[in-house]
Amino acid sequence: QVQLQESGPGLVKPSQTLSLTCTVSGGSISSGNYYWSWIRQPAGKGLEWLGHIYTSGSTGYNPSLKSRVTISIDTSKDQFSLKLSSVTAADTAIYYCAREGSESYWGQGTLVTVSS
Amino acid sequence: QTVVTQEPSLTVSPGGTVTLTCASSTGAVTSGYYPNWFQQKPGQAPRPLIYSTGNKHSWTPARFSGSLLGGKAALTVSGVQPEDEAEYYCLLYYGGARVFGGGTKLTVL
Repeated sequence: QVQLQESGPGLVKPSQTLSLTCTVSGGSISSGNYYWSWIRQPAGKGLEWLGHIYTSGSTGYNPSLKSRVTISIDTSKDQFSLKLSSVTAADTAIYYCAREGSESYWGQGTLVTVSS
Repeated sequence: QTVVTQEPSLTVSPGGTVTLTCASSTGAVTSGYYPNWFQQKPGQAPRPLIYSTGNKHSWTPARFSGSLLGGKAALTVSGVQPEDEAEYYCLLYYGGARVFGGGTKLTVL
């Protein structure tokens, strides 16, 4: 079964860049035609879609965050990554990676706190 | 900015049936929005339930079903169980982007 695991710093300073990686196991990130997504959830609030990347490398981003978000993929490592620039306290949230589609899987999430 | 609207909260009795809906600010929801539904319990990651309007994942209990109803996406739970108490989120596809609804808190009382 496919599993996803988020990793990265749990604490980021304001104005810096948040960087997270999602490692896919139990299957190749290149097999099949899937979108690989990043979603976040502030404490006590709803889910927010940040963006996704296709196995070909094409991307789609949330228009409200588009200028700050970059998603990339490394098929040789079965990983995809998120970069969110110029972070503020409002970016504090649990960040999830997920695979879309008929066989959808989510990581367990990782808490990122933005604080000095 | 596109807004996806769900009922903030619903209450249902055990064994009953409840329908949650998902509306788009752009107009009627059709199959082309590929509605997805997720269940989230406290402290857990969201769990996918339904994709592309009415398709179930292999782990989705039979009592959950998805459909289109009156211009909205709908999730119906028939024969509600106590363990169905959770937050439910819909997700709609807008071309290359996706938008989540605000979530429905389902209480089983």
